[in-house]
Amino acid sequence: DIQMTQSPSSLSASVGDRVTISCRASQAIGTYLNWYQQKPGQAPNLLIFLASHLQSGVPSRFSGSGSGTDFTLTISSLQPEDFATYYCQQSYNRPVTFGQGTKVDIK
Amino acid sequence: EVQLVESGGGLVQPGGSLRLSCEGSGFTFSNHWMNWVRQSPAMGLERVATIKQDGSETSYMGSVEGRFTISRDNTKNSLYLQMNNLRAEDTAVYYCVRVSAKWAFDSWGPGTLVTVSS
Repeated sequence: DIQMTQSPSSLSASVGDRVTISCRASQAIGTYLNWYQQKPGQAPNLLIFLASHLQSGVPSRFSGSGSGTDFTLTISSLQPEDFATYYCQQSYNRPVTFGQGTKVDIK
Repeated sequence: EVQLVESGGGLVQPGGSLRLSCEGSGFTFSNHWMNWVRQSPAMGLERVATIKQDGSETSYMGSVEGRFTISRDNTKNSLYLQMNNLRAEDTAVYYCVRVSAKWAFDSWGPGTLVTVSS
């Protein structure tokens, strides 16, 4: 199975900050990388698919980049509703696998 | 609006069985691959089982192979997960998840909690 490693595991930030989360795959996955946001008590919600494509309805402050083994999720200006846990997921081959998550909380 | 709603979770003893159900609405259910994904504090998010649009192809994570069975009834817009010989490590929130054409998990149900404990 492909291992997905996110960094950092957690970070503290302020409203308005630019936030960057990294995800590394144990082997090359092209751009078959998705990002999800999960708030407490809720299911994950798709933000970005195929590394850089914004899911419908997701604010444009979210962006994704990368290919091969290294990927990045960027929040250009953190908003109060963005405090959550973020997960990457590879869909290059089965089984799909997830990163362990990055928790973004308030500084 | 796309909706997925799970049911059937609960408390069960080790070695017991449960059947989870998921009803979809607001989309053409038969057009989509579907998954069960679980989440626990210890293991994070794990894809448990996957089924093709017509049910002709299924796959499972290794630790549930032979114990869990995924199935679907497109006439009822429903997905199922039969779980047998449950273990403590199967304790998790189980999500019914739709797969998009780009193989992203684009719609999730709210989840149902399965607790395996004596």
